[in-house]
Amino acid sequence: GAGVSQSPSNKVTEKGKDVELRCDPISGHTALYWYRQSLGQGLEFLIYFQGNSAPDKSGLPSDRFSAERTGGSVSTLTIQRTQQEDSAVYLCASRQTGGANTGELFFGEGSRLTVL
Amino acid sequence: QQQVKQSPQSLIVQKGGISIINCAYENTAFDYFPWYQQFPGKGPALLIAIRPDVSEKKEGRFTISFNKSAKQFSLHIMDSQPGDSATYFCAASGSGSARQLTFGSGTQLTVLP
Repeated sequence: GAGVSQSPSNKVTEKGKDVELRCDPISGHTALYWYRQSLGQGLEFLIYFQGNSAPDKSGLPSDRFSAERTGGSVSTLTIQRTQQEDSAVYLCASRQTGGANTGELFFGEGSRLTVL
Repeated sequence: QQQVKQSPQSLIVQKGGISIINCAYENTAFDYFPWYQQFPGKGPALLIAIRPDVSEKKEGRFTISFNKSAKQFSLHIMDSQPGDSATYFCAASGSGSARQLTFGSGTQLTVLP
């Protein structure tokens, strides 16, 4: 597709359940980011993937959060044993690297997670 | 530690007026300062960006003013329109391949018709 695609767009789950959020970046973008946006708040960095390098996990808030990126393309963010404070919009972004890199991040529309 | 402080949290402007949003940063290694615009239900989208080798950048009605010594930068929206009503985020990042953007907390702009 032309843009960053995220699914599901909305997810309601019960406390304690595991959830998986998917991100399909723009074709050819080797850098991929996950951010979290809580209601009325800014964007909180979670994790960053760049090519085959080890991901930067420095923003993950707890060990209940994990992410993987398969084949350098699609990424999945997994939240285990969800808590009510995990309720937020999870945004994925991708970026070109190399000579065409302008620094611009292209965001998806996000996955809104509600933990009851 | 909040590395990018943004104000105001919300702003109401009359159509045709000037909207001004301010940001301050702490990390002197930052060298890229973008502004993102977000409409409800959408992801943020790049609006305009500046690097510290210039003090001002203008694109249409949108201008970034940058003060390196004060570690501050601001977004000016001239002739504000109702269609500009959105949430605006300033951000900053350092050099290198990571470019992890650190975002401000956002400003909800409402332009009254």
